Amino acid sequence: KNEVEQSPQNLTAQEGEFITINCSYSVGISALHWLQQHPGGGIVSLFMLSSGKKKHGRLIATINIQEKHSSLHITASHPRDSAVYICAVGYIQGAQKLVFGQGTRLTINP
Amino acid sequence: KAGVTQTPRYLIKTRGQQVTLSCSPISGHRSVSWYQQTPGQGLQFLFEYFSETQRNKGNFPGRFSGRQFSNSRSEMNVSTLELGDSALYLCASSLAGQGETQYFGPGTRLLVL
Repeated sequence: KNEVEQSPQNLTAQEGEFITINCSYSVGISALHWLQQHPGGGIVSLFMLSSGKKKHGRLIATINIQEKHSSLHITASHPRDSAVYICAVGYIQGAQKLVFGQGTRLTINP
Repeated sequence: KAGVTQTPRYLIKTRGQQVTLSCSPISGHRSVSWYQQTPGQGLQFLFEYFSETQRNKGNFPGRFSGRQFSNSRSEMNVSTLELGDSALYLCASSLAGQGETQYFGPGTRLLVL
């Protein structure tokens, strides 16, 4: 069993739909990261959070430390949101040693 | 401010050879982390350097090594290449590394034949 589990693995939706991607982890963490990877490989860090909720434009990330669960939401989805979304966790004992989920491939159709 | 740069972007090597990849962090960033991404294993942490010292290491064999220079630029080296080393190698930088937002480079795509 992976330390970091994401669901779903693949998600196809129509433009405008509300998208939710989930991430669960097994032990205490210092921070959780949401990353976006477009075809070609470039990775962009979307959020880093250790508690509560963060919002940036149409993207919202939440984390529940007690339940060891985080969600990434996309409102009013657009084809340009099509990418792989990756959850990664940093552990309290480590420095920048991230453990990654397997990623969620999101496709938004026009 | 210039982003994280990695050179070369693409590389083809044969089994048994060695390879050196380079990463230049964002100016002022002192932490550089390296990651390997393969279709089968996904993203995996290789190591992190801070102020020229390796601060953390992932579960990779000793063939994978790295270093960081006084200007924070980092190199990673893979010796005695194996077919399974074919991957996208990404580096990321941050100011001090302790649970901070990381800024990723475009990656070096290595193909081992």
